[in-house]
Amino acid sequence: DTEVTQTPKHLVMGMTNKKSLKCEQHMGHRAMYWYKQKAKKPPELMFVYSYEKLSINESVPSRFSPECPNSSLLNLHLHALQPEDSALYLCASSPTGTASYEQYFGPGTRLTVT
Amino acid sequence: AQKVTQAQTEISVVEKEDVTLDCVYETRDTTYYLFWYKQPPSGELVFLIRRNSFDEQNEISGRYSWNFQKSTSSFNFTITASQVVDSAVYFCALGRMDSSYKLIFGSGTRLLVRP
Repeated sequence: DTEVTQTPKHLVMGMTNKKSLKCEQHMGHRAMYWYKQKAKKPPELMFVYSYEKLSINESVPSRFSPECPNSSLLNLHLHALQPEDSALYLCASSPTGTASYEQYFGPGTRLTVT
Repeated sequence: AQKVTQAQTEISVVEKEDVTLDCVYETRDTTYYLFWYKQPPSGELVFLIRRNSFDEQNEISGRYSWNFQKSTSSFNFTITASQVVDSAVYFCALGRMDSSYKLIFGSGTRLLVRP
């Protein structure tokens, strides 16, 4: 089973709201990723968790807060977002946290900030 | 510098035509990995292939084939007898074999297969 699930599929939030995106995988992968993708652009890496520890933060604003409760789950907490944060947010996982392994992506959460 | 270039922004073909998507990469590493991903309109990136820099054998999987040429730093992707379901954005990506987690993505090629 090479499936990564993400909820919700769509999210509309105001700039003062707090919301969370959720990601889950049951492939036994030990690395999980958050990407942001704007229209007609490639995905941009935001965060990497390896063995449940934050390994990479690509200078992401603090209004995005990742959390990895266990090896199967990854959350992205959102607070005080800006309209320019509207994008497709993709979660991915890989067996370990090196770029030599393929990453498996979820279907994404399409976020609109109003 | 690590860089992936997909010069073809958009390609339109008629169903059953063959189509080749180009990917040129730049890296100073002697060992690295290359990937192709497909992103249909639904949004999910689907992994298609991984190739390491030591393996220059071409690969065929059904209607898909990949031509890796280290001498020209290219990793091109050919779809034979294209189908409407092949319509998607295709990304080529470069990964390093060190502890770096980052995939370097190309800008993507949008393929439209018309019936």
